[in-house]
Amino acid sequence: NAGVTQTPKFQVLKTGQSMTLQCAQDMNHEYMSWYRQDPGMGLRLIHYSVGAGITDQGEVPNGYNVSRSTTEDFPLRLLSAAPSQTSVYFCASSYTLGNNEQFFGPGTRLTVL
Amino acid sequence: GQQVMQIPQYQHVQEGEDFTTYCNSSTTLSNIQWYKQRPGGHPVFLIQLVKSGEVKKQKRLTFQFGEAKKNSSLHITATQTTDVGTYFCARLIQGAQKLVFGQGTRLTINP
Repeated sequence: NAGVTQTPKFQVLKTGQSMTLQCAQDMNHEYMSWYRQDPGMGLRLIHYSVGAGITDQGEVPNGYNVSRSTTEDFPLRLLSAAPSQTSVYFCASSYTLGNNEQFFGPGTRLTVL
Repeated sequence: GQQVMQIPQYQHVQEGEDFTTYCNSSTTLSNIQWYKQRPGGHPVFLIQLVKSGEVKKQKRLTFQFGEAKKNSSLHITATQTTDVGTYFCARLIQGAQKLVFGQGTRLTINP
C-alpha cells in the first residue's frame, strides 16, 4: 500500500492563480480531510468528506473547494490564490472518523507570491 | 468550546531530562488522540485515549486522560534526540465528524 499520497510536494503560485492539490489513498478509507498548518497555529481543518459524494466544511473553508467523486481521491482546489494561503497542506484519511487514527500524507508546501 | 489548548508551546530540554505536554479543554472530551510530527515531516498517530483516568504507556512515553475527561498529558521519560518534534493532541467532535487539533508543543533537545 502506498498509503496517502499528495502531489505536488512544492508549489509556488502568483496571487490570483488557481490550482488543485491532489490527494489519494489506497486503503479504502471512507473519511478524508484537508488541513493547513501554519507556524504556531497547529493543524486547522479546511474540508472533510465522510464518503464518496459527501463533503463538508471545516474550520477554515473560505477560498477552497473540494469534491469526492471516488473513495480514493479528494482534491483540494484553490480558486484564486492569496498570500494568506501560503501554508503547508496535509491530506489525511481513516476508515471512519470515530475512534480511528488518521493517516497523513507527506504534505504540499505552497507559497503564494 | 471545541478547541483544545496545549501547553507549553515550546520546550527545550537536555537529553536525558523528562518532558511533559498538556492538553486542556473547557468541555468534556469523548476521546483524545496524540500525534507526533518530526521536523519537515507529517503527523503520525501515537495513541488514542477513551476512558476516564486512562493511562497508557509506549516505552518511555506515558499518556494520561483526566478523570473528568477534560485534560490529557503526554510524558516522556529520559528524552532522546529521536524524540525531537512537535506533539499534537486532537479531540473528536463526534456529531460534527471533525478532528480538532491543539496548537502543538514543539520539543527540542540539547544532546
